[in-house]
Amino acid sequence: KQEVTQIPAALSVPEGENLVLNCSFTDSAIYNLQWFRQDPGKGLTSLLLIQSSQREQTSGRLNASLDKSSGRSTLYIAASQPGDSATYLCAVDGGSNYKLTFGKGTLLTVNP
Amino acid sequence: DGGITQSPKYLFRKEGQNVTLSCEQNLNHDAMYWYRQDPGQGLRLIYYSQIVNDFQKGDIAEGYSVSREKKESFPLTVTSAQKNPTAFYLCASSIGGSAAFFGQGTRLTVV
Repeated sequence: KQEVTQIPAALSVPEGENLVLNCSFTDSAIYNLQWFRQDPGKGLTSLLLIQSSQREQTSGRLNASLDKSSGRSTLYIAASQPGDSATYLCAVDGGSNYKLTFGKGTLLTVNP
Repeated sequence: DGGITQSPKYLFRKEGQNVTLSCEQNLNHDAMYWYRQDPGQGLRLIYYSQIVNDFQKGDIAEGYSVSREKKESFPLTVTSAQKNPTAFYLCASSIGGSAAFFGQGTRLTVV
């Protein structure tokens, strides 16, 4: 059974700092990996999707990498801003009916 | 604008009562999903549907039921058999392996 782990569970940084969030998964037979953002009491917003054949994806200040063989992904946030404060969730798609398995998330706080 | 609409935003259930959560999408997505989120936990899959009139159990389907009579709609019923229903419920949709779109969620509380 696929298990997804996110480290750290919480992270607090000063504004302007570059930071890395980590995601690991136990079964490397994945179809894709997605990073989501969740604000308190809200739904999830998709940030980046990396197909299994890709190594990384970039969107603005965000860069996500995927190393399928080692079961790891990282989300890099450059020049963090207070508006980046949220919970970031990693999810892997095993390709069977496109079901997503989620990690528990990293709660990010960016202090002004 | 295309998206997923969940209603109501807040729902209160009495002991022994069935309640239904609504999920509607206008994205023309074939696949729809229901997840449950508890504090400090990741999302757990309740039910999913790939096509109309077909759905499959997820990891925690006990005490829940769904229907998929229309492509746009995937309502979730929380039955009295679900002993711990207080949670945040999220509906999502996607097209085979594409990025998933989520609704804004329904917070269900037992009173």
